[in-house]
Amino acid sequence: GAVVSQHPSRVICKSGTSVKIECRSLDFQATTMFWYRQFPKQSLMLMATSNEGSKATYEQGVEKDKFLINHASLTLSTLTVTSAHPEDSSFYICSARPRVLYQETQYFGPGTRLLVL
Amino acid sequence: AQKVTQAQTEISVVEKEDVTLDCVYETRDTTYYLFWYKQPPSGELVFLIRRNSFDEQNEISGRYSWNFQKSTSSFNFTITASQVVDSAVYFCALSERTSYDKVIFGPGTSLSVIP
Repeated sequence: GAVVSQHPSRVICKSGTSVKIECRSLDFQATTMFWYRQFPKQSLMLMATSNEGSKATYEQGVEKDKFLINHASLTLSTLTVTSAHPEDSSFYICSARPRVLYQETQYFGPGTRLLVL
Repeated sequence: AQKVTQAQTEISVVEKEDVTLDCVYETRDTTYYLFWYKQPPSGELVFLIRRNSFDEQNEISGRYSWNFQKSTSSFNFTITASQVVDSAVYFCALSERTSYDKVIFGPGTSLSVIP
């Protein structure tokens, strides 16, 4: 089956620093990638949708200047949490939609746990 | 707007009991997809099933079965003869064709199977 990887799997950083999370589709091309955030004991909340070569579309309430998304290629999207604060500590999950037409299935990455001290 | 409701926040069952997890959804689209995912303590989502809105056939896969009823906008999930390894959070999710297939998750149901 299709594989999506995320790197790093876990990161701890100091308040005020920026953290970059990578999402890669390993064996397929993804025109669209999605970023989710999950706080403890809560559901996954969609943060943004990114299409290759264009600006990401952010969900209401998500600060686009704080969560920078770049989807520069068909296999890689990055999420940068700028000037991270303790309230940004969360589980970040990406998913990738294959490029093949009419194949709607999305594939989720294993997630990245971010802890901001 | 699309919405997914999972009324059961937490469920506890004794091993070997059957358990049904409820899911009710809202959508204005005629074409949509419904999903169930399992999230064990490790956090990684495990895909269980995807159902097309035009396919109301119930499905069985081993101990898992799904009941899709468009008339009541429900997509319930039943685990037969539950096992301890079934303990996890289960999410029902919805994806609309007109929203570029972004997946909206329900709040999740935490299932604990007690030995």
